[in-house]
Amino acid sequence: AQSVTQLGSHVSVSEGALVLLRCNYSSSVPPYLFWYVQYPNQGLQLLLKYTTGATLVKGINGFEAEFKKSETSFHLTKPSAHMSDAAEYFCAVTSASGQAGTALIFGKGTTLSVSS
Amino acid sequence: EAEVAQSPRYKITEKSQAVAFWCDPISGHATLYWYRQILGQGPELLVQFQDESVVDDSQLPKDRFSAERLKGVDSTLKIQPAELGDSAMYLCASSLAGTGVSEAFFGQGTRLTVV
Repeated sequence: AQSVTQLGSHVSVSEGALVLLRCNYSSSVPPYLFWYVQYPNQGLQLLLKYTTGATLVKGINGFEAEFKKSETSFHLTKPSAHMSDAAEYFCAVTSASGQAGTALIFGKGTTLSVSS
Repeated sequence: EAEVAQSPRYKITEKSQAVAFWCDPISGHATLYWYRQILGQGPELLVQFQDESVVDDSQLPKDRFSAERLKGVDSTLKIQPAELGDSAMYLCASSLAGTGVSEAFFGQGTRLTVV
C-alpha cells in the first residue's frame, strides 16, 4: 500500500522568503512522486514530478523538489515566495508500474499563505 | 490548449434527490478518473476507467454511487440518493495511460452542496 504524509497543514511565509513544504511517502515499490497546486474552486495543476533519473526535479513557477529515498521524502521548495504562490499544495504518489491501475494517492494538502 | 471539461461547476441539491456529474476528458486519453475532495482534504479516488472498463472502483460507495463511460470517451458519475455527507468537490481527471507513465490532467471540478 502507498500513502503520503504532508507535514504542516498550513505554512505562512513573507514575500521573498524561502518556501518549504514537506512531504513524506510510504511505498513498497519504487514510487513516482508528484506535487500539484490548487487555487480556490479550481482543479489541480501539476507543478513537477519525479519518475526516474535525477533526484532534483524542477517544475513550473520556480518550484523544485528533491527525491530522497533514504528519508522517504519529496519536499517542495522555492527560493523566493511571490504573492501569487498562495494556494493549496498536494503531494501525491503512485507506483512505477506504468499499468492502467496506477491512480494518484494524495496527501491532505498544505495551505501556503504569503504576506507582503 | 486541450482541457478536461466538467459540468456543472456548481450544484445544490436536497438530500435524497438524485444528482449527476459529467466529464469530457482530453481527446485520446484512455484513462479517466473520478476523485472526491472533501473540504480541507486531499482528493480520494472513487473510480478509474481504462477506455470503457472499470479498473478500480474499490472506494466507490456502490449502494448510492454509479459511474459509467459507455463509449470510452465521456463519463457520468451519479449519486442516488444524495446524503449530506456527499457535499464535496468532485474532480475528473484523464491521462493517456496510467499515471505511472503519463500526466493526469484535472478538470475544474463540480462543487456539490447537499442541503
